[in-house]
Amino acid sequence: RKEVEQDPGPFNVPEGATVAFNCTYSNSASQSFFWYRQDCRKEPKLLMSVYSSGNEDGRFTAQLNRASQYISLLIRDSKLSDSATYLCVVHTGRRALTFGSGTRLQVQP
Amino acid sequence: DAGVIQSPRHEVTEMGQEVTLRCKPISGHNSLFWYRQTMMRGLELLIYFNNNVPIDDSGMPEDRFSAKMPNASFSTLKIQPSEPRDSAVYFCASSMGPDQPQHFGDGTRLSIL
Repeated sequence: RKEVEQDPGPFNVPEGATVAFNCTYSNSASQSFFWYRQDCRKEPKLLMSVYSSGNEDGRFTAQLNRASQYISLLIRDSKLSDSATYLCVVHTGRRALTFGSGTRLQVQP
Repeated sequence: DAGVIQSPRHEVTEMGQEVTLRCKPISGHNSLFWYRQTMMRGLELLIYFNNNVPIDDSGMPEDRFSAKMPNASFSTLKIQPSEPRDSAVYFCASSMGPDQPQHFGDGTRLSIL
């Protein structure tokens, strides 16, 4: 089993839609969680950290479910500019941060 | 503030040549990471340093790859001899610690002919 697993997608959604991605992790002792965004031919950029109580940043909401060992990212009112690959990142305690393979989102007009 | 600076941005060279990639981390960050990204394999951690000391190099593909961090503001990733299968985007990232958010450079797009 991979340490961090994501559905590769692509998720094709219309503008204005709400979309959610999940990411599962295998190490129950993991303590740090993040979502990154990567645009085509660009570097990954930190989107938001994920806190135990859940957190929100504008249209983006991140949540952590320790019991089921997954984190989620919810995007409300999708914009064309949200089209990108979203990387789930977990500190598994073994090799610094472990990056998932990413979920591709395509927001369509 | 300056982010992570990588050079060169692009490199095209023939197989068998030595390739050296360079990275300047964000000032004050004590962890530095080298990644390789391809369509087939995604983002792979090659090696990371903490306080200039290599902590985990288990991702380094083979002896042709080597990395150094002679001081807190500079690191190199060297491939010698290079092979076509080394073609990829190589990212350098830095952070305040191994479990802290990482900040990536623009990457080096490497093509080995």
